[in-house]
Amino acid sequence: DTEVTQTPKHLVMGMTNKKSLKCEQHMGHRAMYWYKQKAKKPPELMFVYSYEKLSINESVPSRFSPECPNSSLLNLHLHALQPEDSALYLCASSPRQGVGYEQYFGPGTRLTVT
Amino acid sequence: GQQVMQIPQYQHVQEGEDFTTYCNSSTTLSNIQWYKQRPGGHPVFLIQLVKSGEVKKQKRLTFQFGEAKKNSSLHITATQTTDVGTYFCAANYGQNFVFGPGTRLSVLP
Repeated sequence: DTEVTQTPKHLVMGMTNKKSLKCEQHMGHRAMYWYKQKAKKPPELMFVYSYEKLSINESVPSRFSPECPNSSLLNLHLHALQPEDSALYLCASSPRQGVGYEQYFGPGTRLTVT
Repeated sequence: GQQVMQIPQYQHVQEGEDFTTYCNSSTTLSNIQWYKQRPGGHPVFLIQLVKSGEVKKQKRLTFQFGEAKKNSSLHITATQTTDVGTYFCAANYGQNFVFGPGTRLSVLP
């Protein structure tokens, strides 16, 4: 299984809502990533988990809260988002974190904040 | 922060023409990766280059890593409509993984 799955595919939420994005992989990868991608822009790294521990937080606002319950799952909890947070949220995994490892991306969750 | 630049930003070609995108860094890179993202899709890994001067081929795609390991190129021979998408280079800067801005390729049939 060389697939990264993400749910939901689409999400519309109000600024006062709380929601969660989910990501799963069964490739035995020990590094998992969250990216944000705006239209016509490259993916921007948000968080990196390595061996289920938060390794990198790219100065992301606290209204985004990541969680890695186990080596296969990655969640992104959303609360009190702003309209400018509307974007495609991509999850990725790689065998390990660091130089030389390719990343496998999920299909993304397209988030709209109203 | 560290960044990679890519040119051109957009390229429109007639089917059958060749296409090249260039990626440049101001600092020496340990490696560089290339990804393709189809319209409405997600990035898909194409290749990784590690050695100075390295050249790798995948069918009609040729990837090069510069001698100084500061630049890279992706060349597509005889483009097809299936080549449409955005091509990103990406590099490790220490712990961080940074994507270039991408080159958007459109192929006219």
